Amino acid sequence: KQEVTQIPAALSVPEGENLVLNCSFTDSAIYNLQWFRQDPGKGLTSLLLIQSSQREQTSGRLNASLDKSSGRSTLYIAASQPGDSATYLCAVRRAGSARQLTFGSGTQLTVLP
Amino acid sequence: EAGVAQSPRYKIIEKRQSVAFWCNPISGHATLYWYQQILGQGPKLLIQFQNNGVVDDSQLPKDRFSAERLKGVDSTLKIQPAKLEDSAVYLCASRISDSTDTQYFGPGTRLTVL
Repeated sequence: KQEVTQIPAALSVPEGENLVLNCSFTDSAIYNLQWFRQDPGKGLTSLLLIQSSQREQTSGRLNASLDKSSGRSTLYIAASQPGDSATYLCAVRRAGSARQLTFGSGTQLTVLP
Repeated sequence: EAGVAQSPRYKIIEKRQSVAFWCNPISGHATLYWYQQILGQGPKLLIQFQNNGVVDDSQLPKDRFSAERLKGVDSTLKIQPAKLEDSAVYLCASRISDSTDTQYFGPGTRLTVL
């Protein structure tokens, strides 16, 4: 059974810092991995999707990497801003699954002005 | 383009009562998902529909939970009777087709069972 772990559960940084969020998964037979953002009282928004054959994806100040063999992914946020404050979740799609996702429990990020 | 709509946004009930949630996916999206997100945890898939058929309901507690998607458009999720441990946010998501992995999430319904 796939398990997805995100450490730390919460992180607080001053504005302007670069930071890294971690995600690990137990079964390396994944089809892809996604990073989501969740704001309080709102649904999830997909930030980046990395296919299993890819090593990284970039969108603006966000960069996500994937090391499938070691079961790890990182989300790098450059020059953090207070507006980046949210919970960040990673999710993996198991190879061969009917496009179903297994989520981690998330990292709650607070960027202090 | 309108997003995924869910109602109600909040619901408070006593244990052993019944409750129903409604989801209207993005127009034209064939696949619909219901997730349960307990505080401090990631969303857990309850049921997946493709049009009006069930693809996977293996994690749905069928003794108390039921879901339907009549006509392959909007969907309802029901809990009867509710337990304290059902307190959670219930998220609905939709996906247009098998050509993409992108799921669009609604704002969720926060259920509190007292």
